[in-house]
Amino acid sequence: AQRVTQPEKLLSVFKGAPVELKCNYSYSGSPELFWYVQYSRQRLQLLLRHISRESIKGFTADLNKGETSFHLKKPFAQEEDSAMYYCAPDGAGTALIFGKGTTLSVSS
Amino acid sequence: DAGVIQSPRHEVTEMGQEVTLRCKPISGHNSLFWYRQTMMRGLELLIYFNNNVPIDDSGMPEDRFSAKMPNASFSTLKIQPSEPRDSAVYFCASSLGGTSYEQYFGPGTRLTVT
Repeated sequence: AQRVTQPEKLLSVFKGAPVELKCNYSYSGSPELFWYVQYSRQRLQLLLRHISRESIKGFTADLNKGETSFHLKKPFAQEEDSAMYYCAPDGAGTALIFGKGTTLSVSS
Repeated sequence: DAGVIQSPRHEVTEMGQEVTLRCKPISGHNSLFWYRQTMMRGLELLIYFNNNVPIDDSGMPEDRFSAKMPNASFSTLKIQPSEPRDSAVYFCASSLGGTSYEQYFGPGTRLTVT
């Protein structure tokens, strides 16, 4: 079965520290991959998608087909990055499957 | 555009009662999704529609759950009878078409079943 794993339920870092939110998927073929973010009291929203290969709010995500991973990274965390992050591969023809999410807490 | 609209925002009901959650997608979007969010299971897809037709309802927990989309601008998710384990935040999302497009989420309905 198609599956996405976000191994960390909570990740706590200090402001200015590097951040890596892990995501591993088990899909055949080449799925489209997304990261969604939910800030406190805001709607869940798209942060970035693999195909656009862009950096959003300093975050990047690289697809590693060999490791079937799509980790989200930021070199210097900011307090406003504190949120819940969901990794979501699209199984091309099947419904988008979200991971269980990782709560990122950035403290000063 | 006000985005995806959900109502009610909060619902508290007693076990055994019928609950109806409502969603209005963004105008022009062809796909609509219902999700359930809990601490234990994260964000789970319940069902999604494309052009008002249910495409994948494999995530619907059991027969107590049903969803309809009578037209392009309205969808309902019904739980009958409700149980305490149904307590969760239910999100509706819409997209231009299918799952490869960005999904726009509503604010969610927080359901508490006592």
